[in-house]
Amino acid sequence: GAVVSQHPSRVICKSGTSVKIECRSLDFQATTMFWYRQFPKQSLMLMATSNEGSKATYEQGVEKDKFLINHASLTLSTLTVTSAHPEDSSFYICSAAGDGLYEQYFGPGTRLTVT
Amino acid sequence: TQLLEQSPQFLSIQEGENLTVYCNSSSVFSSLQWYRQEPGEGPVLLVTVVTGGEVKKLKRLTFQFGDARKDSSLHITAAQPGDTGLYLCAGGAGYALNFGKGTSLLVTP
Repeated sequence: GAVVSQHPSRVICKSGTSVKIECRSLDFQATTMFWYRQFPKQSLMLMATSNEGSKATYEQGVEKDKFLINHASLTLSTLTVTSAHPEDSSFYICSAAGDGLYEQYFGPGTRLTVT
Repeated sequence: TQLLEQSPQFLSIQEGENLTVYCNSSSVFSSLQWYRQEPGEGPVLLVTVVTGGEVKKLKRLTFQFGDARKDSSLHITAAQPGDTGLYLCAGGAGYALNFGKGTSLLVTP
């Protein structure tokens, strides 16, 4: 199957700072990437969908100015959590899909803790 | 939004037992996928079903897609501790996926 990586795997930051999470498709070109967040013992909640070279589409209730998404290349998307607060602490997971790929392939996730 | 209901929400069984988990919706899906997620990791795709009535087997796991493409089931035979995890079904059109809330499975030795 296709391989997707995320970096960092864990990050702790202070309230008010910004954190960038990278999502890379390692062996295929991802025309579409997705960002999810997952709270403990809950399912994945889609935050936004991004297509290479265009603006991300955000789900209802997700602040686009707080969660900045950039999909500048076919192998890299970034999620920046700006002015992070403790309530932003969560498990952030990206997934990727490419032309001809029927499924989404998920990264290993990033555990964000805001203190 | 196409809602997917998964049942049971939690399941704790002993090694060697069989189990079935369900994924139901009132909507028709062009495809449905099953993932397994272990704590602190991303979901791993197990299977995709696309044809109504389709049955796919993956070792001890058997996946079935309902004839009307509204529901699916996952049956595990002779469960092992390594099967422990959160099982998620997801369906949608094209790349957009809607996830169920998952079934958390614990298999004890």
